Amino acid sequence: QKEVEQDPGPLSVPEGAIVSLNCTYSNSAFQYFMWYRQYSRKGPELLMYTYSSGNKEDGRFTAQVDKSSKYISLFIRDSQPSDSATYLCAMSGSNFGNEKLTFGTGTRLTIIP
Amino acid sequence: DTGVSQDPRHKITKRGQNVTFRCDPISEHNRLYWYRQTLGQGPEFLTYFQNEAQLEKSRLLSDRFSAERPKGSFSTLEIQRTEQGDSAMYLCASSFYRAGETQYFGPGTRLLVL
Repeated sequence: QKEVEQDPGPLSVPEGAIVSLNCTYSNSAFQYFMWYRQYSRKGPELLMYTYSSGNKEDGRFTAQVDKSSKYISLFIRDSQPSDSATYLCAMSGSNFGNEKLTFGTGTRLTIIP
Repeated sequence: DTGVSQDPRHKITKRGQNVTFRCDPISEHNRLYWYRQTLGQGPEFLTYFQNEAQLEKSRLLSDRFSAERPKGSFSTLEIQRTEQGDSAMYLCASSFYRAGETQYFGPGTRLLVL
Protein backbone atom coordinates (compact mmCIF):
# COMPACT_ATOMS: atom_id res chain seq x y z
CA GLN A 1 0.00 0.00 0.00
CA LYS A 2 1.30 3.44 -0.92
CA GLU A 3 1.89 5.96 1.84
CA VAL A 4 -0.07 8.59 -0.11
CA GLU A 5 -3.15 7.80 -2.17
CA GLN A 6 -4.57 10.21 -4.73
CA ASP A 7 -7.30 9.66 -7.30
CA PRO A 8 -5.55 9.99 -10.67
CA GLY A 9 -8.68 11.19 -12.45
CA PRO A 10 -8.88 12.48 -15.10
CA LEU A 11 -11.27 15.13 -13.86
CA SER A 12 -13.08 17.47 -16.26
CA VAL A 13 -15.21 20.37 -15.05
CA PRO A 14 -16.74 23.43 -16.73
CA GLU A 15 -15.13 26.83 -16.33
CA GLY A 16 -16.24 28.59 -13.17
CA ALA A 17 -16.95 25.40 -11.22
CA ILE A 18 -15.50 24.58 -7.82
CA VAL A 19 -12.92 21.82 -8.00
CA SER A 20 -12.14 19.48 -5.11
CA LEU A 21 -8.94 17.43 -5.10
CA ASN A 22 -8.09 15.00 -2.33
CA CYS A 23 -5.37 12.78 -0.90
CA THR A 24 -5.25 10.31 1.94
CA TYR A 25 -2.12 9.16 3.72
CA SER A 26 -1.10 6.47 6.15
CA ASN A 27 2.14 7.75 7.71
CA SER A 28 1.46 9.58 10.96
CA ALA A 29 4.93 11.16 10.78
CA PHE A 30 3.82 13.48 7.98
CA GLN A 31 3.45 16.99 9.33
CA TYR A 32 3.75 19.23 6.30
CA PHE A 33 1.35 19.01 3.40
CA MET A 34 1.87 20.61 0.03
CA TRP A 35 0.07 20.94 -3.25
CA TYR A 36 2.08 21.22 -6.45
CA ARG A 37 0.81 22.01 -9.92
CA GLN A 38 2.50 20.42 -12.92
CA TYR A 39 1.86 21.44 -16.49
CA SER A 40 2.61 18.95 -19.23
CA ARG A 41 6.33 18.30 -19.64
CA LYS A 42 7.25 20.80 -16.91
CA GLY A 43 8.54 20.46 -13.36
CA PRO A 44 6.14 20.75 -10.41
CA GLU A 45 5.55 24.21 -8.96
CA LEU A 46 4.44 24.78 -5.39
CA LEU A 47 0.91 26.10 -4.97
CA MET A 48 0.33 25.92 -1.24
CA TYR A 49 1.57 24.30 1.91
CA THR A 50 0.02 23.75 5.33
CA TYR A 51 1.38 22.52 8.63
CA SER A 52 -1.48 21.87 10.98
CA SER A 53 -5.05 20.73 10.65
CA GLY A 54 -7.42 23.39 9.38
CA ASN A 55 -7.81 25.58 6.33
CA LYS A 56 -5.44 27.88 4.49
CA GLU A 57 -6.63 30.20 1.76
CA ASP A 58 -4.70 31.88 -1.04
CA GLY A 59 -6.78 33.64 -3.64
CA ARG A 60 -8.95 31.08 -5.41
CA PHE A 61 -7.20 28.19 -3.68
CA THR A 62 -8.00 26.67 -0.28
CA ALA A 63 -6.00 23.87 1.29
CA GLN A 64 -7.57 21.79 4.01
CA VAL A 65 -5.92 19.26 6.33
CA ASP A 66 -7.63 16.80 8.67
CA LYS A 67 -4.87 14.97 10.51
CA SER A 68 -7.29 12.86 12.54
CA SER A 69 -8.63 11.36 9.30
CA LYS A 70 -5.30 11.56 7.47
CA TYR A 71 -7.04 13.42 4.67
CA ILE A 72 -6.09 16.56 2.78
CA SER A 73 -7.94 18.57 0.16
CA LEU A 74 -7.38 21.38 -2.29
CA PHE A 75 -10.33 23.46 -3.46
CA ILE A 76 -10.18 25.70 -6.51
CA ARG A 77 -12.92 28.30 -6.82
CA ASP A 78 -13.97 29.97 -10.06
CA SER A 79 -11.86 27.52 -12.04
CA GLN A 80 -10.18 28.82 -15.20
CA PRO A 81 -8.91 26.99 -18.30
CA SER A 82 -5.40 27.97 -17.19
CA ASP A 83 -5.92 25.77 -14.12
CA SER A 84 -5.83 22.73 -16.40
CA ALA A 85 -2.84 20.74 -15.16
CA THR A 86 -1.89 17.79 -12.99
CA TYR A 87 -2.19 18.48 -9.26
CA LEU A 88 0.15 16.60 -6.96
CA CYS A 89 -0.17 16.38 -3.22
CA ALA A 90 3.11 15.97 -1.34
CA MET A 91 4.02 15.40 2.28
CA SER A 92 7.04 15.51 4.53
CA GLY A 93 7.95 14.98 8.15
CA SER A 94 9.21 17.47 10.66
CA ASN A 95 11.70 19.23 8.43
CA PHE A 96 9.24 20.76 5.94
CA GLY A 97 10.90 21.12 2.55
CA ASN A 98 14.32 20.09 3.81
CA GLU A 99 13.82 16.38 3.51
CA LYS A 100 12.40 14.03 0.92
CA LEU A 101 8.89 14.66 -0.24
CA THR A 102 6.41 11.82 -0.69
CA PHE A 103 4.01 12.52 -3.53
CA GLY A 104 0.63 11.21 -4.57
CA THR A 105 0.13 9.98 -8.11
CA GLY A 106 -1.37 13.31 -9.21
CA THR A 107 -4.85 14.17 -10.49
CA ARG A 108 -5.13 15.39 -14.06
CA LEU A 109 -7.60 18.26 -14.21
CA THR A 110 -9.14 19.81 -17.31
CA ILE A 111 -11.26 22.97 -17.14
CA ILE A 112 -13.61 23.14 -20.09
CA PRO A 113 -14.23 26.69 -21.42
CA ASP B 1 16.70 32.91 -15.21
CA THR B 2 17.58 32.13 -11.58
CA GLY B 3 15.57 28.91 -11.26
CA VAL B 4 16.77 25.32 -11.17
CA SER B 5 18.13 24.26 -14.54
CA GLN B 6 18.66 20.77 -15.92
CA ASP B 7 20.58 19.54 -18.91
CA PRO B 8 19.80 17.91 -21.24
CA ARG B 9 16.05 18.35 -21.38
CA HIS B 10 15.64 15.19 -23.44
CA LYS B 11 17.81 12.12 -23.90
CA ILE B 12 17.26 9.09 -26.08
CA THR B 13 19.66 6.22 -25.61
CA LYS B 14 19.97 2.55 -26.39
CA ARG B 15 19.72 -0.09 -23.73
CA GLY B 16 23.07 -0.75 -22.13
CA GLN B 17 24.48 2.72 -22.68
CA ASN B 18 25.51 5.08 -19.87
CA VAL B 19 23.88 8.47 -19.49
CA THR B 20 24.66 11.47 -17.31
CA PHE B 21 22.35 14.33 -16.36
CA ARG B 22 23.28 17.65 -14.85
CA CYS B 23 21.38 19.86 -12.42
CA ASP B 24 22.25 23.45 -11.50
CA PRO B 25 20.37 24.51 -8.36
CA ILE B 26 19.24 27.97 -7.40
CA SER B 27 22.27 29.95 -6.36
CA GLU B 28 23.13 29.54 -2.66
CA HIS B 29 20.71 26.65 -2.17
CA ASN B 30 22.63 24.12 -0.13
CA ARG B 31 20.25 21.18 -0.50
CA LEU B 32 19.75 19.41 -3.80
CA TYR B 33 17.35 16.55 -4.48
CA TRP B 34 16.81 14.07 -7.29
CA TYR B 35 13.43 12.52 -8.04
CA ARG B 36 12.18 10.20 -10.78
CA GLN B 37 8.72 10.47 -12.30
CA THR B 38 7.19 7.86 -14.58
CA LEU B 39 4.11 8.42 -16.71
CA GLY B 40 0.96 8.79 -14.64
CA GLN B 41 2.83 8.74 -11.34
CA GLY B 42 4.04 11.33 -8.89
CA PRO B 43 7.75 12.02 -8.41
CA GLU B 44 9.62 9.43 -6.35
CA PHE B 45 12.57 10.44 -4.20
CA LEU B 46 15.98 9.13 -5.24
CA THR B 47 18.62 10.96 -3.22
CA TYR B 48 19.61 14.30 -1.76
CA PHE B 49 22.68 16.30 -0.85
CA GLN B 50 23.50 18.96 1.63
CA ASN B 51 26.42 20.82 0.11
CA GLU B 52 28.65 18.02 -1.22
CA ALA B 53 27.51 15.35 1.24
CA GLN B 54 24.99 12.78 0.06
CA LEU B 55 22.68 12.44 3.07
CA GLU B 56 20.11 9.90 1.95
CA LYS B 57 19.56 7.42 -0.87
CA SER B 58 16.34 5.65 -1.69
CA ARG B 59 16.29 1.88 -2.11
CA LEU B 60 15.05 2.74 -5.63
CA LEU B 61 18.57 3.90 -6.39
CA SER B 62 20.19 0.71 -7.62
CA ASP B 63 23.93 0.20 -7.98
CA ARG B 64 23.66 1.38 -11.57
CA PHE B 65 22.75 4.86 -10.36
CA SER B 66 25.28 7.25 -8.92
CA ALA B 67 24.93 10.89 -8.00
CA GLU B 68 27.55 13.45 -7.13
CA ARG B 69 27.74 17.03 -6.06
CA PRO B 70 31.51 17.53 -5.96
CA LYS B 71 31.75 21.21 -5.05
CA GLY B 72 28.42 21.66 -3.41
CA SER B 73 27.02 23.48 -6.41
CA PHE B 74 25.82 21.54 -9.48
CA SER B 75 25.06 17.84 -9.33
CA THR B 76 25.25 14.97 -11.80
CA LEU B 77 23.19 11.81 -11.92
CA GLU B 78 24.69 8.93 -13.89
CA ILE B 79 22.87 5.78 -14.94
CA GLN B 80 25.08 2.94 -16.09
CA ARG B 81 23.94 0.12 -18.36
CA THR B 82 20.55 1.69 -18.92
CA GLU B 83 17.45 -0.51 -19.03
CA GLN B 84 14.07 0.20 -20.61
CA GLY B 85 12.62 0.52 -17.12
CA ASP B 86 14.84 3.56 -16.56
CA SER B 87 12.73 5.55 -19.02
CA ALA B 88 11.27 8.38 -16.96
CA MET B 89 11.47 12.08 -16.19
CA TYR B 90 14.37 12.84 -13.83
CA LEU B 91 13.62 15.89 -11.72
CA CYS B 92 16.02 17.95 -9.70
CA ALA B 93 14.98 20.28 -6.88
CA SER B 94 16.86 22.56 -4.52
CA SER B 95 16.20 24.28 -1.23
CA PHE B 96 17.98 26.42 1.34
CA TYR B 97 18.18 24.58 4.63
CA ARG B 98 16.22 26.62 7.14
CA ALA B 99 12.74 26.54 8.56
CA GLY B 100 10.01 27.43 6.15
CA GLU B 101 11.94 26.83 2.96
CA THR B 102 10.43 24.63 0.32
CA GLN B 103 11.87 22.74 -2.64
CA TYR B 104 11.94 24.35 -6.07
CA PHE B 105 11.91 21.99 -9.03
CA GLY B 106 13.66 22.18 -12.36
CA PRO B 107 12.03 21.34 -15.70
CA GLY B 108 13.32 17.78 -15.67
CA THR B 109 15.29 15.58 -18.05
CA ARG B 110 13.13 13.17 -20.00
CA LEU B 111 14.96 9.88 -20.66
CA LEU B 112 13.86 7.32 -23.22
CA VAL B 113 15.73 4.02 -23.33
CA LEU B 114 15.17 2.06 -26.53
